[in-house]
Amino acid sequence: KNEVEQSPQNLTAQEGEFITINCSYSVGISALHWLQQHPGGGIVSLFMLSSGKKKHGRLIATINIQEKHSSLHITASHPRDSAVYICAVRSGTDKLIFGTGTRLQVFP
Amino acid sequence: DTGVSQDPRHKITKRGQNVTFRCDPISEHNRLYWYRQTLGQGPEFLTYFQNEAQLEKSRLLSDRFSAERPKGSFSTLEIQRTEQGDSAMYLCASSPQSANTGELFFGEGSRLTVL
Repeated sequence: KNEVEQSPQNLTAQEGEFITINCSYSVGISALHWLQQHPGGGIVSLFMLSSGKKKHGRLIATINIQEKHSSLHITASHPRDSAVYICAVRSGTDKLIFGTGTRLQVFP
Repeated sequence: DTGVSQDPRHKITKRGQNVTFRCDPISEHNRLYWYRQTLGQGPEFLTYFQNEAQLEKSRLLSDRFSAERPKGSFSTLEIQRTEQGDSAMYLCASSPQSANTGELFFGEGSRLTVL
């Protein structure tokens, strides 16, 4: 079993829909990252969380430390949101443990 | 451009050859990380540096792999006697010193294809 699990693995949506991507982890963490990866490989950091909730534009990230769970929400989704969204946790030493990603496609 | 840069972006080599990748982090970032990503998978940790000190290496990093950050600025990742299983995207990231508050900044990656 992977230490970081994401669901769903693939997600399709119509433009405007509210989207939720989930991340569960089984290790103690000091921080959790949500990352966005576009085709071609470039990775952009969206959020770093250690507690509570963060919001940036149409993106909202929440974390529940007790339940070892985080969610990434996209409100009013747009085709340009199509990408792979990756959850990664900092655990113990400073390395990151990554989930396998959720591939999102938003259709107009 | 003051982001993380990696070179080369693409490398095609024959099995058995040596390859070297370079990463230039954001200048004020003390921490530098190398990850490997194969198709359809999330990145896997390889190694990381704080300044010039290599603090941790993954067991994925066999004896054929070596990484350096000699002056605490740019880093190189060398793969000797490449094998087809080494084909992957090699990602570099940097962050400020604090592990708990340091956001990660990734380069565009170096894609290796071993024939």
